[in-house]
This record gives sequence, structure tokens and C-alpha cells, in this order.
Amino acid sequence: EDKVVQSPLSLVVHEGDTVTLNCSYEVTNFRSLLWYKQEKKAPTFLFMLTSSGIEKKSGRLSSILDKKELFSILNITATQTGDSAVYLCAGHGSSNTGKLIFGQGTTLQVKP
Amino acid sequence: NAGVTQTPKFQVLKTGQSMTLQCAQDMNHEYMSWYRQDPGMGLRLIHYSVGAGITDQGEVPNGYNVSRSTTEDFPLRLLSAAPSQTSVYFCASSYSIRGRGEQFFGPGTRLTVL
Repeated sequence: EDKVVQSPLSLVVHEGDTVTLNCSYEVTNFRSLLWYKQEKKAPTFLFMLTSSGIEKKSGRLSSILDKKELFSILNITATQTGDSAVYLCAGHGSSNTGKLIFGQGTTLQVKP
Repeated sequence: NAGVTQTPKFQVLKTGQSMTLQCAQDMNHEYMSWYRQDPGMGLRLIHYSVGAGITDQGEVPNGYNVSRSTTEDFPLRLLSAAPSQTSVYFCASSYSIRGRGEQFFGPGTRLTVL
């Protein structure tokens, strides 16, 4: 059965800290891995990763995929209170459903 | 561009009532889908559509119907609401015909079934 597992489930840090969120996956005929940020409303897209070892970066956020070890990490440097959210990782297989297989999410709280 | 819109934002139903959750997108996306989000279970696919007139079941379709008469709209119908359908419902769309690219999510509908 396809699954995506995120760790840790929750994390509390202080502003300025660097955090690393983990996502491991077992997805049949894996095609891509997506990261979303959810702040009490709709998940908003962060990154889509399809190739191993190629870092995607957007401001203080970056992510990388390891297709051999079946995991991805999301790094946030110099965290701010506005980074507080649930971060969702989702895997995409090659099925025609377009189904994203979501992990449970990591709840990040950044304290001032 | 309004993106993906959903109505209503909140809804309370009694067991056995029926209702329709509305979803619309103005990005001309062929692929649209419905997810439900429950604590500890992440988001799970209910139904999806790869174009007008074409719909299919996802992971948890029981108790829900969908139709796709236009590219823009993809309503989700609850036939006879049950407390187990209490959840937050998200509609999503994608430019990729099979939903394999980035999926854009609507703001969600929080449904409570008493």
C-alpha cells in the first residue's frame, strides 16, 4: 500500500532557528513529490521534486529529493513566526487518478 | 484570476440530509478533484475528473456523487449525510491532464454532520 510518512509530527523552534522536515515515501511507480504549506486554510504549493539530488530553493525554503533512499527534506533557514504552519508532503504515482498520497503533516510553531 | 473557489465555507447538516458542495476554477484546468481532510489521516481523494463529462472514484468515494458538466465546475454531492462525513473538504485543480503537476487547492468547506 502506498504511504507517505512525515517526521517529526510537531516541532517548536524560536525565530532565527533552522529546521529540517522529513518525508519518506513508498509510492508505486513514483513520479514526483510535492510540498505544501497549510495555514488554517487551503494547502499552498511550495515545491515539486522529480529528480534526485537537485535542490529547489525559494527564499529561505529549500527542498531536495533522494529517490534511492525514498525520502525528501524541507529546510527552512532563519525561521520567522510567519513560517508557523502545517507542512504537508505528498507523493504522486503514475496512476491515472492524479491522486496525491499525503503524509500526516508536520506542525511547525515558531516562537518570537 | 480567482483560482479555485468553494462554497459554502461552513455547513452544519443533520444525519440523512443531502447537500451539494460547490467548486469552481477559472484557470481552464481539465483535471479537478475532491479531497477530505481528517485529523491524523491527512488528505484523501474522494473523486476526480479529467475533463467535462468524465469522472471517476478516488480512495474514499462512498456516500458521495460528482458530475462535471463544464470545465469550470465540479460539485460534490452528499446523498444522505452521516456523522462520519464530518470533515474539511478541499477541491483542487491541475493544469496536468492526469493531475500529475502542481495541484491548486480551494479554501475548503468545513462540514459538520450531527
